[in-house]
Amino acid sequence: DTEVTQTPKHLVMGMTNKKSLKCEQHMGHRAMYWYKQKAKKPPELMFVYSYEKLSINESVPSRFSPECPNSSLLNLHLHALQPEDSALYLCASSQVGGRTDTQYFGPGTRLTVL
Amino acid sequence: EDQVTQSPEALRLQEGESSSLNCSYTVSGLRGLFWYRQDPGKGPEFLFTLYSAGEEKEKERLKATLTKKESFLHITAPKPEDSATYLCAVRASGGYQKVTFGTGTKLQVIP
Repeated sequence: DTEVTQTPKHLVMGMTNKKSLKCEQHMGHRAMYWYKQKAKKPPELMFVYSYEKLSINESVPSRFSPECPNSSLLNLHLHALQPEDSALYLCASSQVGGRTDTQYFGPGTRLTVL
Repeated sequence: EDQVTQSPEALRLQEGESSSLNCSYTVSGLRGLFWYRQDPGKGPEFLFTLYSAGEEKEKERLKATLTKKESFLHITAPKPEDSATYLCAVRASGGYQKVTFGTGTKLQVIP
């Protein structure tokens, strides 16, 4: 099973709202990722968690706050977003190290900020 | 800095017309090269991982090959359902889980 699930599929929020995106995997992977993807662009890395600890933050604005409650779950908390933050948000997971560190992606959450 | 360049940007094929997509890369020690397929509005779907020059992998109508400078995704007798954007990504040794994506090739297969 190589499934990563994400909820919700779609999210519309105002600039003053607080919302969260959720991601789950049951592949036993110990690395989890958040990406942002704009139309006709490749995915852009935001955060990496390795063994439930934040290992990479690609200088993402503080209005995006990641959380990794356990090895299977990854959240992205959103607050005071801007319209330019509208995008497809992708979660991915992988093994850590070795030759099997292929990243597997979820279906994404389409976020619209009004 | 790691770089990945994919060509062409877009490709239109007749059903059954075989072709190849190119992924050229510059990386300080290749740890892995990845091919993904992405349908509009959906997450990338994993296709292949290649680790060393000379390696080849196949899946249905797709075959991926790797040299020291580039990778090819060969599509044999494509069908309309193969229409998608194909993304190539590389991970460098010591890249610590970061991959660099190319901008993709948008493939359209016409019946």
